[in-house]
Amino acid sequence: GAVVSQHPSWVICKSGTSVKIECRSLDFQATTMFWYRQFPKQSLMLMATSNEGSKATYEQGVEKDKFLINHASLTLSTLTVTSAHPEDSSFYICSARDGGTGIIQPQHFGDGTRLSIL
Amino acid sequence: AQSVSQHNHHVILSEAASLELGCNYSYGGTVNLFWYVQYPGQHLQLLLKYFSGDPLVKGIKGFEAEFIKSKFSFNLRKPSVQWSDTAEYFCAVNGAGNTPLVFGKGTRLSVIA
Repeated sequence: GAVVSQHPSWVICKSGTSVKIECRSLDFQATTMFWYRQFPKQSLMLMATSNEGSKATYEQGVEKDKFLINHASLTLSTLTVTSAHPEDSSFYICSARDGGTGIIQPQHFGDGTRLSIL
Repeated sequence: AQSVSQHNHHVILSEAASLELGCNYSYGGTVNLFWYVQYPGQHLQLLLKYFSGDPLVKGIKGFEAEFIKSKFSFNLRKPSVQWSDTAEYFCAVNGAGNTPLVFGKGTRLSVIA
C-alpha cells in the first residue's frame, strides 16, 4: 500500500530555532500534499495544501511566513517552522495523495512529528 | 464551510459487543466520506470510503459504514469488536474536486476483555 514517511518523529528545541519536517511518499507520486496540526484531544486541523512545483495554499489563520512549505518534487514536501516558540508545540502530520489515475484517491498519512519548543 | 461532528469522545465496550460510532457532516454539495483509524503509536489508516453507489460500504477488519444522505450521516459499525480494535477513529469528508479532508474530533474506542 501507499506509504508516507515523515521525519523526524519527535523534536525538542529551544525557542527561536527553526525546525524542518520532511514528508516523503515512498511508493507513489504525490502531486498534492497536505500539512495538518493536531492539538491534544482535538481534530486534525488543515494548515496548508501544496501542489508540486507551485506555492502552497494556506488555510485562514495560518501564517505562511511562520510555516514555510516547499513541495519541490513529486515525492517530497517539507514544512519549516521558523523561529519556533512554545505556542508552536504540537503534533504535525503530513498527508499525501496519489494524483496518478484521475479517480478520487484517498489521502495517506505519515506518522506525525511531535514538536516541543522549550 | 465543511464540518464533521463525531458524537462520542470515548466509547468503552466489552469484547464481542457491537459498535456504532456516529458521524454527521455539514456540506452543501457532493461529498466523499471516509473513516480512518489510528492505532496507538501508529499513523492514520484508511478503514473505508464512500464516493458513490451503494450507501452501505464495507471496509477492512469487518467494519462497515452507511451513508444516509437525508441525515447527513456516515456512521461506522462493527457487529463484534475485538480487543485489537482499541484505537482512535476519525470520520472525514471532502468535496467534489478532491479537496482536502476535513476531520471530526475523533472517537476513542477502548475494548476491554
